[in-house]
Amino acid sequence: QVQLLESGGGVLQPGRSLRLSCAASGFTFSSFGMHWVRQAPGKGLEWVALVWYDGTKDFYADSVKGRFTISRDNSNNTLHLQMNSLRVEDTAVYYCARGLLVPVRGAIPGFYFDNWGQGTLVTVSS
Amino acid sequence: EIVMTQSPATLSVSPGERATLSCRASQSVSNNLAWYHQRPGQAPRLLIYGASTRATGIPARFSGSGSGTEFTLTISSMQSEDFAVYYCQQYDNWLTWTFGQGTKVEIK
Repeated sequence: QVQLLESGGGVLQPGRSLRLSCAASGFTFSSFGMHWVRQAPGKGLEWVALVWYDGTKDFYADSVKGRFTISRDNSNNTLHLQMNSLRVEDTAVYYCARGLLVPVRGAIPGFYFDNWGQGTLVTVSS
Repeated sequence: EIVMTQSPATLSVSPGERATLSCRASQSVSNNLAWYHQRPGQAPRLLIYGASTRATGIPARFSGSGSGTEFTLTISSMQSEDFAVYYCQQYDNWLTWTFGQGTKVEIK
């Protein structure tokens, strides 16, 4: 079955960097767009970033654009999130999620998320 | 950005009773809406997509309806494992896929 296992979370100070990873198994990883979605403590869900199935395109929420970089290694079935210039408001559980693409407006796609990892906690605090 | 508003914030239901949850979009999202639930300490799980299609393995007691700006998730007979937080998500708007703030369904 589909498994997604995140790692790399931790506690760090504002301005520092951290790299998260997500190991995928049980499906053809290179066929799916992959996402990071985060959840601040006691809060709702926020989409963070998307990397295209082949790694050629990546997209970000405005809240992380220019600071975070999503990438993937299809040879090792692994997803990454490089987080730089971390802020207190980036504190959250970070989930990797498999996205299912739906054409919603002609060629413009939408994604919903059919499989999620268990998440890894990132705490940014001075 | 499309704002998703869920109501109520908390719903108290007895086991075996029906639960009805609402989700409203600030502008039309057609039927590009998904529902998830999240048990404490667990990851979200996809329940419904396309506003009304059950995901693989989801029991028939879960049903979704609506289109445009108004959506409903109905659980026909609450089971113990259904007490959780429920989120709706619109995927109509490119790169601003947004979730509602959640409805907590608790045991009455």
